[in-house]
Amino acid sequence: KQEVTQIPAALSVPEGENLVLNCSFTDSAIYNLQWFRQDPGKGLTSLLLIQSSQREQTSGRLNASLDKSSGRSTLYIAASQPGDSATYLCATGDSSGSARQLTFGSGTQLTVLP
Amino acid sequence: DAGITQSPRHKVTETGTPVTLRCHQTENHRYMYWYRQDPGHGLRLIHYSYGVKDTDKGEVSDGYSVSRSKTEDFLLTLESATSSQTSVYFCAISESTGGENTQYFGPGTRLTVL
Repeated sequence: KQEVTQIPAALSVPEGENLVLNCSFTDSAIYNLQWFRQDPGKGLTSLLLIQSSQREQTSGRLNASLDKSSGRSTLYIAASQPGDSATYLCATGDSSGSARQLTFGSGTQLTVLP
Repeated sequence: DAGITQSPRHKVTETGTPVTLRCHQTENHRYMYWYRQDPGHGLRLIHYSYGVKDTDKGEVSDGYSVSRSKTEDFLLTLESATSSQTSVYFCAISESTGGENTQYFGPGTRLTVL
């Protein structure tokens, strides 16, 4: 059974800092890995998706990397802004049953201080 | 944003009563999912559907049933609600299960069972 871990559970940084969020998973037989953002009281918004054959994806100030062999992914946020404050969730795409499913970590709550 | 709505958005009910949550999509996506989100557990898959009348269990399916009679609607039913089912419930959809496809999430339903 896949297990996804995100450390730290919470992180507070001053505005302008570059930061890295970590995600680890136990089963490397994934078909993709996704990073989501969740604002308080809201649903999840997909940020980046890395397919199993890829090593990284970039979108604006965000860069996500994937190392399947070591069971790790990182989300790099450049020049952080207060608007980046949210909970960031990673999820592995795993094959199970008739449909592929996502296995989520518990998230990292990020606060960017002005 | 993907066209996903959930109803109701908030509900308070008593132990032992039946509860039905509705997910409605306007994207004509084949796959639909129900997750619950609890502190310290991330999101966990309850049930999913891979077509009209085609459903299967997820990780935490005990105490829940689902139905999908139309492509656009996926219902989650708690036959006899318990306090352990107090949670935030999210519906998600995806067009396919290829590695390049993400899941799109609804805004969530906050359910409190007293």
